Amino acid sequence: EAQVTQNPRYLITVTGKKLTVTCSQNMNHEYMSWYRQDPGLGLRQIYYSMNVEVTDKGDVPEGYKVSRKEKRNFPLILESPSPNQTSLYFCASSPSWQLSYEQYFGPGTRLTVT
Amino acid sequence: GESVGLHLPTLSVQEGDNSIINCAYSNSASDYFIWYKQESGKGPQFIIDIRSNMDKRQGQRVTVLLNKTVKHLSLQIAATQPGDSAVYLCADRAIDNYGQNFVFGPGTRLSVLP
Repeated sequence: EAQVTQNPRYLITVTGKKLTVTCSQNMNHEYMSWYRQDPGLGLRQIYYSMNVEVTDKGDVPEGYKVSRKEKRNFPLILESPSPNQTSLYFCASSPSWQLSYEQYFGPGTRLTVT
Repeated sequence: GESVGLHLPTLSVQEGDNSIINCAYSNSASDYFIWYKQESGKGPQFIIDIRSNMDKRQGQRVTVLLNKTVKHLSLQIAATQPGDSAVYLCADRAIDNYGQNFVFGPGTRLSVLP
């Protein structure tokens, strides 16, 4: 089944404890991205990657890191999480950056930072 | 600043009626406009897109209309069914010298009444 998977689905952590949210897609997509979704603010793009080893900042990259060493994986790293990073995170992929408007989203990761 | 907004945060319709969900955008340089459906506890699901050089596009039971003069986007759902109950997100994509930028609206919740 073609899908985007994220792990973990739920995470509660404390301020300053490094964490990684994994994202994997099995559709051989070139383009992948991370979003956060907050009430009243909509989805906001954190980082995106047009292909392996190519990453770019989105609208809200502060406090996050990403890497794209393999085509299928695009982990989101929070080196020192803070409470304002409590949010619902979505990973997404599309066949190419030209087709990035047609994104396939993962199920989401709900992160709480205390 | 750039924004994608919504005229109505909630919409209730009778089963079988047509639904119209509206969205305003502000970036005249956007090249694609997209509608997503987000069911409770799930990631957004791509519904339909429209390129900026078009004013209408039809899919299965859905039609998207684009009015660039007033920067307005709408999603029409024909013969609304209970399974259409969800939050509908509009988004636009713009590409500039710095990369890609997606702007999502906060969403409209559609409730289908029996």
